[in-house]
Amino acid sequence: DTEVTQTPKHLVMGMTNKKSLKCEQHMGHRAMYWYKQKAKKPPELMFVYSYEKLSINESVPSRFSPECPNSSLLNLHLHALQPEDSALYLCASSHGASNTEAFFGQGTRLTVV
Amino acid sequence: DAKTTQPNSMESNEEEPVHLPCNHSTISGTDYIHWYRQLPSQGPEYVIHGLTSNVNNRMASLAIAEDRKSSTLILHRATLRDAAVYYCILRDRRNQFYFGTGTSLTVIP
Repeated sequence: DTEVTQTPKHLVMGMTNKKSLKCEQHMGHRAMYWYKQKAKKPPELMFVYSYEKLSINESVPSRFSPECPNSSLLNLHLHALQPEDSALYLCASSHGASNTEAFFGQGTRLTVV
Repeated sequence: DAKTTQPNSMESNEEEPVHLPCNHSTISGTDYIHWYRQLPSQGPEYVIHGLTSNVNNRMASLAIAEDRKSSTLILHRATLRDAAVYYCILRDRRNQFYFGTGTSLTVIP
């Protein structure tokens, strides 16, 4: 199983809503990532979890709250988002070493209305 | 964070070889060079990676300059399915994984 599964595939939410994005992998990877990608732009790193601990937070606004409940799961909790937060949110996982590849999910297409 | 620079776009004829360049002049000795590609509406897909020596796999070859300040991804025979945005990335030991601007490859039938 070399898949990273993200749910939901599409999400529309209002600016006062609270929602969560979910990411799951069963490859035994201990590093997991959240990226944000706007149209025709490269993915931007948001958070990195290493061994279930947050190791990198790229100055992401607090309305995005990551959570890693176990080594297979990564969540991104969303609250009070703005329309400019509409984007494709990508999850990835890898073994910890820099000489290993990362596997990406297909992303969640988020629209904030 | 280490940076890479790539041409915005390139074109290739189908079944011809394609050489996609990448500059990474600030690379450190322990950074690995990774290449990923992204098809429309999909997540990025791993292509190849290397440290110092040239690398080959079933998808592509990676040629790394001797000073490691640049690299070239080689697709030996471009197909229409290779049309994608190709990203050259430096991956460091802190698991930082920053994408550059990427090269949009168009394959002409």
